[in-house]
Amino acid sequence: EAQVTQNPRYLITVTGKKLTVTCSQNMNHEYMSWYRQDPGLGLRQIYYSMNVEVTDKGDVPEGYKVSRKEKRNFPLILESPSPNQTSLYFCASSSPGREQYFGPGTRLTVT
Amino acid sequence: QKEVEQNSGPLSVPEGAIASLNCTYSDRGSQSFFWYRQYSGKSPELIMSIYSNGDKEDGRFTAQLNKASQYVSLLIRDSQPSDSATYLCAVNPRSYNNNDMRFGAGTRLTVKP
Repeated sequence: EAQVTQNPRYLITVTGKKLTVTCSQNMNHEYMSWYRQDPGLGLRQIYYSMNVEVTDKGDVPEGYKVSRKEKRNFPLILESPSPNQTSLYFCASSSPGREQYFGPGTRLTVT
Repeated sequence: QKEVEQNSGPLSVPEGAIASLNCTYSDRGSQSFFWYRQYSGKSPELIMSIYSNGDKEDGRFTAQLNKASQYVSLLIRDSQPSDSATYLCAVNPRSYNNNDMRFGAGTRLTVKP
């Protein structure tokens, strides 16, 4: 089954404790992206990657890191999480110019 | 001006009616346009994609694109309570290699039985 998977689905953590949210896709898509979604603000792009070892900042990259060492994986790293990073996070993948396929989401709470 | 604008709603229609959702975008060279449906707390799922001017129909859904007016719409015929969700308009900017999808904030639709 073609899909994008994210783990964990729910995470509660404390300020400053490094965390990684994994994302993996099995559709051989070149393009992958991370979004956060907050009430009233819609989906905002954090980082995207157009292929292996090629990443670029989106609209809200501060406080986040990503890497793309393999085509299928695109982890999101929060080196020192803060409460303002409490949000619903989505990973997505696509072929260039085509529709994006979204993972199930990760609900992160930073206290 | 936001890159992709949608009326946030809520839009309320009775069951069986036509729901009309609208979206405008700022980049005149945009090439690809998408409508996603998102239930509360769930991930967006693709409803329609449209790439050229005119109408595209898929079941109860019709997407309409007017590039000259920078306007894309989604019509839902015979609306059902299960259509109650937030609908996101997404636009891909002009460069094919710059896959930088832009999303509107979404329109919340409620279909009343």
